[in-house]
Amino acid sequence: SQELEQSPQSLIVQEGKNLTINCTSSKTLYGLYWYKQKYGEGLIFLMMLQKGGEEKSHEKITAKLDEKKQQSSLHITASQPSHAGIYLCGADITDKLIFGTGTRLQVFP
Amino acid sequence: DVKVTQSSRYLVKRTGEKVFLECVQDMDHENMFWYRQDPGLGLRLIYFSYDVKMKEKGDIPEGYSVSREKKERFSLILESASTNQTSMYLCASSSHPVGWNGYTFGSGTRLTVV
Repeated sequence: SQELEQSPQSLIVQEGKNLTINCTSSKTLYGLYWYKQKYGEGLIFLMMLQKGGEEKSHEKITAKLDEKKQQSSLHITASQPSHAGIYLCGADITDKLIFGTGTRLQVFP
Repeated sequence: DVKVTQSSRYLVKRTGEKVFLECVQDMDHENMFWYRQDPGLGLRLIYFSYDVKMKEKGDIPEGYSVSREKKERFSLILESASTNQTSMYLCASSSHPVGWNGYTFGSGTRLTVV
């Protein structure tokens, strides 16, 4: 069973559109991480959230962790082709970092 | 810039060969991890280590072993490679406790077993 559920699995958006990716757990998340992966490459750290209600932004990407610390969302404003890739949420559960299955984002002109 | 370096980007090995995947980090991190990534299955944890000579099984340790003789190096060993071990392998490291910048990943090794 997947402890971290990500949705949607795949997303195709037109350049300039906003989009949201969700990450949900049945357990309380003590550390929630967002990573981006270019196809066939390693993971690039985006943000880490730890506190309920926390929100962080970097350039056009905003991540939030809900008050119950069981759901996180990643929002991209005015998407660009450079945002394309696979977005992964990861969480510290029982002293291990586990991942959701990822969301594949494509941005077309 | 902090770095996790995986020795090979691409590797092709024959069934039955013993395969070593090397990972080196320069951040003096205590924790190191090996994952494999497969389409539709995401990243799955194979083994991890919290200290030198220490190892813990992850979710899918079968067919693999690891070695951590020095703090900066964590090796993944495929004792007898099989075709179902064809995958993308990713190494990661972190401080303990995990710092503000989370876990740092290497660029990955794409292993093909023929």
